[in-house]
Amino acid sequence: ETGVTQSPTHLIKTRGQQVTLRCSSQSGHNTVSWYQQALGQGPQFIFQYYREEENGRGNFPPRFSGLQFPNYSSELNVNALELDDSALYLCASSLGGLREGTEAFFGQGTRLTVV
Amino acid sequence: DQQVKQNSPSLSVQEGRISILNCDYTNSMFDYFLWYKKYPAEGPTFLISISSIKDKNEDGRFTVFLNKSAKHLSLHIVPSQPGDSAVYFCAASPNSNSGYALNFGKGTSLLVTP
Repeated sequence: ETGVTQSPTHLIKTRGQQVTLRCSSQSGHNTVSWYQQALGQGPQFIFQYYREEENGRGNFPPRFSGLQFPNYSSELNVNALELDDSALYLCASSLGGLREGTEAFFGQGTRLTVV
Repeated sequence: DQQVKQNSPSLSVQEGRISILNCDYTNSMFDYFLWYKKYPAEGPTFLISISSIKDKNEDGRFTVFLNKSAKHLSLHIVPSQPGDSAVYFCAASPNSNSGYALNFGKGTSLLVTP
């Protein structure tokens, strides 16, 4: 059973550019969530995908978008990067809804630096 | 607004003693709670969870207590070990059979000293 993997691990982008982050969910998991963790803060929910459909969104602007593929892997796209987008981006996968035994498991994250 | 609060940014405990990490929440719709541990340069690792129908859940050295009336939960680690040194995040969500969002606190950095 493979865990959640994210790529790349580190990335430096210039303000105004676009970035795509990738996530492979744990084997058998059909739900992927993305979180942004700024320095000194807890992770903040961006959005969630369930069976290729967006299934919930946090308080993030539309320039944050995503996709989930038939194999349940996922991408997070951020357009028009701003300096405040510098953060650790975490992907979490789970099987369906949240209940005992279906907790979300996280990848190691992608550290994005916007300069 | 911060719906999950961990008011102690850091905690230092001697090896072998009990570590108690606290968490408060404000949203009465939350009924599923989780604790994650995070080492530097790694993603959060799931530790233990509890649903609102319980007031205690135990897994080895880790026990989570939930007081719904006070909107408070705590994580007890007994005995504490140096390898437990990490940042601990409390998270909460409305229970759902479909979508959910985990609401995290800011974390408590635990240091277990030999």
